[in-house]
Amino acid sequence: DVKVTQSSRYLVKRTGEKVFLECVQDMDHENMFWYRQDPGLGLRLIYFSYDVKMKEKGDIPEGYSVSREKKERFSLILESASTNQTSMYLCASSGGTSVTDTQYFGPGTRLTVL
Amino acid sequence: GQNIDQPTEMTATEGAIVQINCTYQTSGFNGLFWYQQHAGEAPTFLSYNVLDGLEEKGRFSSFLSRSKGYSYLLLKELQMKDSASYLCAALDSNYQLIWGAGTKLIIKP
Repeated sequence: DVKVTQSSRYLVKRTGEKVFLECVQDMDHENMFWYRQDPGLGLRLIYFSYDVKMKEKGDIPEGYSVSREKKERFSLILESASTNQTSMYLCASSGGTSVTDTQYFGPGTRLTVL
Repeated sequence: GQNIDQPTEMTATEGAIVQINCTYQTSGFNGLFWYQQHAGEAPTFLSYNVLDGLEEKGRFSSFLSRSKGYSYLLLKELQMKDSASYLCAALDSNYQLIWGAGTKLIIKP
């Protein structure tokens, strides 16, 4: 079974803090994604990566950065957290060479910024 | 712009059948996914359709009409554990997933 893990299920941070969200997958997947999920809105793509050290902006990259130094790990960084970044953050991975490969999700990190 | 529409909430009775509709408008189209998401949990994959027609997987079936920009997820013999949100997502010409806001399905005994 594919396993995608995220470093924290719940996180509370203060405005202006630097926040690191970590995601690890154990299936040697090429592709990794970071989404945020807010009530009434669909999943919104923040950043994705198709290979180590490669990153692409998604729909809402502002205020975020990412790092992919190893194939299995994809980190999301909030340089200076703000209250409007309070959300559920979901990491996903997909493998193989087909772009239609299914995305497998981690359990999510519910981040609250005070 | 790109858009996915699905009902916000539906209610059905245990043992019954329910159909969750999804319409999409995307720049190009490379298939449609359905995911299930229980409250507080991650989305899990249910189905992928790229050709017109019905795909059946046990109690769940998914239908696609490319000409109409329409899909539905059909759940039969509903069980209480089917209470969840169901997310529709379309793959556009750039192979990016465009997600709907999800349909919250409430099952009553």
